[in-house]
Amino acid sequence: DAKTTQPTSMDCAEGRAANLPCNHSTISGNEYVYWYRQIHSQGPQYIIHGLKNNETNEMASLIITEDRKSSTLILPHATLRDTAVYYCIVENGAGSYQLTFGKGTKLSVIP
Amino acid sequence: EPEVTQTPSHQVTQMGQEVILRCVPISNHLYFYWYRQILGQKVEFLVSFYNNEISEKSEIFDDQFSVERPDGSNFTLKIRSTKLEDSAMYFCASSVRRDEKLFFGSGTQLSVL
Repeated sequence: DAKTTQPTSMDCAEGRAANLPCNHSTISGNEYVYWYRQIHSQGPQYIIHGLKNNETNEMASLIITEDRKSSTLILPHATLRDTAVYYCIVENGAGSYQLTFGKGTKLSVIP
Repeated sequence: EPEVTQTPSHQVTQMGQEVILRCVPISNHLYFYWYRQILGQKVEFLVSFYNNEISEKSEIFDDQFSVERPDGSNFTLKIRSTKLEDSAMYFCASSVRRDEKLFFGSGTQLSVL
């Protein structure tokens, strides 16, 4: 079973920042937080991942709380093409090979 | 950006028939995976493959399933005797290392009639 809790759905106005929360209260010290998204039944697409520190790349920013029990994915300027299901996944990158997908958050970007 | 290629995009088969789903991972990647997604359900891990052998497999990956890397570029998933419940979208993925991000293909929609 997934080790994370995410809201089922969220809306965001086009051009605004989308903030997607994720709770992972049972995360252990060597587990990473990964974010993937799936646009309309296409293959999942990697967005970002982190261990302790906040991370930023060309797609998004990842903010991890100091106790690591929750995180937030930020899409700084959401576009209609960002409408997708967003998955927060906690995995030990050095252990299991498999990603365990939950139900994710369905983000709808509204014009 | 390099991408994982899957063929065919759609496959229709009769129950009990064998099917082979094909994937071309990204060329410098060393780890290969199959996932599946039944309509309306979660993406589920099937198997991972490294150094020409299975690294890990899920309970779904029973004796009816097998994987192979027949040459230096292709990675295949074979289902020996398909069942109705095998109908799903099958995604191939690859990564450079096992703790690196996975690149997924666009999937093969398998319909078992």
